[in-house]
Amino acid sequence: SQQGEEDPQALSIQEGENATMNCSYKTSINNLQWYRQNSGRGLVHLILIRSNEREKHSGRLRVTLDTSKKSSSLLITASRAADTASYFCATAQSTNAGKSTFGDGTTLTVKP
Amino acid sequence: ETGVTQTPRHLVMGMTNKKSLKCEQHLGHNAMYWYKQSAKKPLELMFVYSLEERVENNSVPSRFSPECPNSSHLFLHLHTLQPEDSALYLCASSLRTVNEKLFFGSGTQLSVL
Repeated sequence: SQQGEEDPQALSIQEGENATMNCSYKTSINNLQWYRQNSGRGLVHLILIRSNEREKHSGRLRVTLDTSKKSSSLLITASRAADTASYFCATAQSTNAGKSTFGDGTTLTVKP
Repeated sequence: ETGVTQTPRHLVMGMTNKKSLKCEQHLGHNAMYWYKQSAKKPLELMFVYSLEERVENNSVPSRFSPECPNSSHLFLHLHTLQPEDSALYLCASSLRTVNEKLFFGSGTQLSVL
């Protein structure tokens, strides 16, 4: 069964607003990663948060992890039109080395 | 630019053709991966190689045949594909296989007619 599931499936906001995407998973993890994908291109790694971490920042990105709820959120602050892309979470499970499992992704549209 | 290069970017083939996808990385990574991305489906892991040894074959049909001649190159040989195999095929690499962040190529958009 699918490990990571993103919510919402699609999000449309105005430039300058914040965008929040959520990811839920089912089993114990070693880490959770967020990736970004522009249409028809490869995925680009954004940020990795380990299971013993609760929050991580990178520029305008803020990721939280709640292992008790098996969920993570990605916040993009002060969004730009260039942030328009699909965002995926990927979970690396404790018992499944080498197999990061991806969710369906959230498609973010930032209107100028 | 992630340091992982895939060729070709686009490929159209008939069901009786044989073609190969190529992936190259010069990041000094020891693990390489093939993923399949179909419309409206999550990324599916197909194969994992660690130090040129295949460590994962995720129940992929035999019409897909991977080859890893060295730690910098990965191929996916295709033969007698089906239209439902049309998808974006992504190569990725990581320093090791264990819970590492992945560096992806731009993918090969494959259409099987």
